[in-house]
Amino acid sequence: AAGVIQSPRHLIKEKRETATLKCYPIPRHDTVYWYQQGPGQDPQFLISFYEKMQSDKGSIPDRFSAQQFSDYHSELNMSSLELGDSALYFCASSPRAGETTINGYTFGSGTRLTVV
Amino acid sequence: AQTVTQSQPEMSVQEAETVTLSCTYDTSESNYYLFWYKQPPSRQMILVIRQEAYKQQNATENRFSVNFQKAAKSFSLKISDSQLGDTAMYFCAFMTPSNAGGTSYGKLTFGQGTILTVHP
Repeated sequence: AAGVIQSPRHLIKEKRETATLKCYPIPRHDTVYWYQQGPGQDPQFLISFYEKMQSDKGSIPDRFSAQQFSDYHSELNMSSLELGDSALYFCASSPRAGETTINGYTFGSGTRLTVV
Repeated sequence: AQTVTQSQPEMSVQEAETVTLSCTYDTSESNYYLFWYKQPPSRQMILVIRQEAYKQQNATENRFSVNFQKAAKSFSLKISDSQLGDTAMYFCAFMTPSNAGGTSYGKLTFGQGTILTVHP
């Protein structure tokens, strides 16, 4: 079965650079969620998109932006990178409301971002 | 806002024995879902078990079962016949599901995690 695809798997950037993380949801999933997991921390919700519109926002820095495209893939853009942005970034996708959201909620393998 | 608390930073158990991981949460919602996720050293987030708040029956998945106490807002995970492959970080998580109005909740709020080590 198709899974949530995240790219790249690993990324190394220098301070003040820009990074773009990509997430390709499971086919027919129209909702995408982004999470940030720092070293030794629990995942923190950043932002979500439903039908290409931002639907919910968490603790996402102003330096970060994200969008969902017509094919439902999503990109997380991170500018002016700081050392503290080093983390594992997860994307998850789900179909729309109700039980299907719960049954279909699936995480990708994550992108490990290291800022040096 | 919802909060999830895991009060056990680390737990250990001997292979084949039983261990229980604790989780409490706070919410004013009446309809919600609770999850246990496993995160092995590969860092992949793997769903272990889930519980719908409106269901009184505790969820069970093979060696994994939960004790869901809605009034006490408690959601513990019991792992029976522990195996070496169960060694991982375990996260308890809370979700308010997406609603029919189209506003997508669906975000997960995680606890701090419990590192479980299974010893041979």
